[in-house]
Amino acid sequence: GAVVSQHPSRVICKSGTSVKIECRSLDFQATTMFWYRQFPKQSLMLMATSNEGSKATYEQGVEKDKFLINHASLTLSTLTVTSAHPEDSSFYICSATSGLSSYEQYFGPGTRLTVT
Amino acid sequence: EDKVVQSPLSLVVHEGDTVTLNCSYEVTNFRSLLWYKQEKKAPTFLFMLTSSGIEKKSGRLSSILDKKELFSILNITATQTGDSAIYLCAVEAVPGTYKYIFGTGTRLKVLA
Repeated sequence: GAVVSQHPSRVICKSGTSVKIECRSLDFQATTMFWYRQFPKQSLMLMATSNEGSKATYEQGVEKDKFLINHASLTLSTLTVTSAHPEDSSFYICSATSGLSSYEQYFGPGTRLTVT
Repeated sequence: EDKVVQSPLSLVVHEGDTVTLNCSYEVTNFRSLLWYKQEKKAPTFLFMLTSSGIEKKSGRLSSILDKKELFSILNITATQTGDSAIYLCAVEAVPGTYKYIFGTGTRLKVLA
């Protein structure tokens, strides 16, 4: 089946620094990638939709200048958390779809970000 | 505002029990509802439902959708400890965009 990878799987950074998370579709071309965050014991919250070659579409309440998304190719999207603060600590999950069927949304393993 | 609500939030049962998880939704343009199982990391796909009254089945798991009453249920029979997970329901918020709204999830714990 289709595989989506994320890197890093876990990162600890100091407050004020920026962190980049990569999401790659390994064996298919992802026309669309989604970025979610998940707080402990809570559901996935969609942050933004990323289409290759165009600007990401952010959900209401998500600061686009804080969470920079770049979908540079059909297999790679990156999420950069800029000037991270402790409240940004969360589990970030990406998913990717080739657009061929509506349920074909494959999730990456997630990245746990801890900001100290 | 589109929303998806799951109940119960958490559930503890013993092996062999049958459980029913609920997902209700309010979205402007419904297209599909998906169920996922999330263990340690990313969610894994279980079912996609688009039509009312048609049961989807996979082993001990089954699911059905009621588009009139705007809900879906996920049944697990003869539960096993390996069924312990968070079960997430997601509804496609904007048809054709693959953009889903996730419910709060139900945390299921199956005791041996």
